[in-house]
Amino acid sequence: AQTVTQSQPEMSVQEAETVTLSCTYDTSESDYYLFWYKQPPSRQMILVIRQEAYKQQNATENRFSVNFQKAAKSFSLKISDSQLGDAAMYFCAYSGNTGNQFYFGTGTSLTVIP
Amino acid sequence: SQTIHQWPATLVQPVGSPLSLECTVEGTSNPNLYWYRQAAGRGLQLLFYSVGIGQISSEVPQNLSASRPQDRQFILSSKKLLLSDSGFYLCAWSQKIGGGRGGYTFGSGTRLTVV
Repeated sequence: AQTVTQSQPEMSVQEAETVTLSCTYDTSESDYYLFWYKQPPSRQMILVIRQEAYKQQNATENRFSVNFQKAAKSFSLKISDSQLGDAAMYFCAYSGNTGNQFYFGTGTSLTVIP
Repeated sequence: SQTIHQWPATLVQPVGSPLSLECTVEGTSNPNLYWYRQAAGRGLQLLFYSVGIGQISSEVPQNLSASRPQDRQFILSSKKLLLSDSGFYLCAWSQKIGGGRGGYTFGSGTRLTVV
C-alpha cells in the first residue's frame, strides 16, 4: 500500500521568511497525483497546490511552490514571504491513478512568528 | 461550480444520545463521498466512503454508521454516542474514486463533543 510520510510534526517561520515542509511517499505506480492541503484553525481543509507525477515542472501557486523529486519520491512545499494567515496544519496527500484510496500524511503544524 | 455543504457546524450531545450529521454536494452527479474523523491535533481517519446510492464501505468498525439515501447526500449516524466519538468530522467528495487529479474537496466540518 502507498504511504505518505511527513517527518516534521511542527515547524515555525518568521513572518516574511521562507519555509519548506517535507513530504515523502512510497508507491509502485508511475502515474499519480500529489497534493498539499492547508487546515487553518477553522479546520476546513483547503487545497493549496497539486502536482501531476507525469509533469516534470514543479507546480506553483502564488507564494506556494513545490519541489517534486519523482525518483526520490519527495514532494516538499515551499512557502515564500510567509504571512500570519499561513499558520495552519499542512497535510501532504497522494492519489494513485488506479487505486481507490487517497492517502494523507500525519500533518505538519506551521507557526508563523510576527 | 461544485459546492459541498456540511451541518451542523458544532454539536454537543450527551452520552447515549443519537447522532445525525448531514453532507450534501451540489453541481455534480454521482460523486464519491467520504466521511473522515480527526481527533484534536491528529491526522485524518477515513470512516466511510460511498460510490453510489445505498453503497457504503466501512473502513473502521465502530459505533457509527453511514447512509446515502440520495445521489448527493451522505449521512453519518449513531444510535448511541460514546465519549470516544468526540472529534472533528469532515465530509468530502471526489469525481474519481480515490481522488485522481481532482483530489478531494472537503466540507467545513462538524465539531462534535460528547459529554
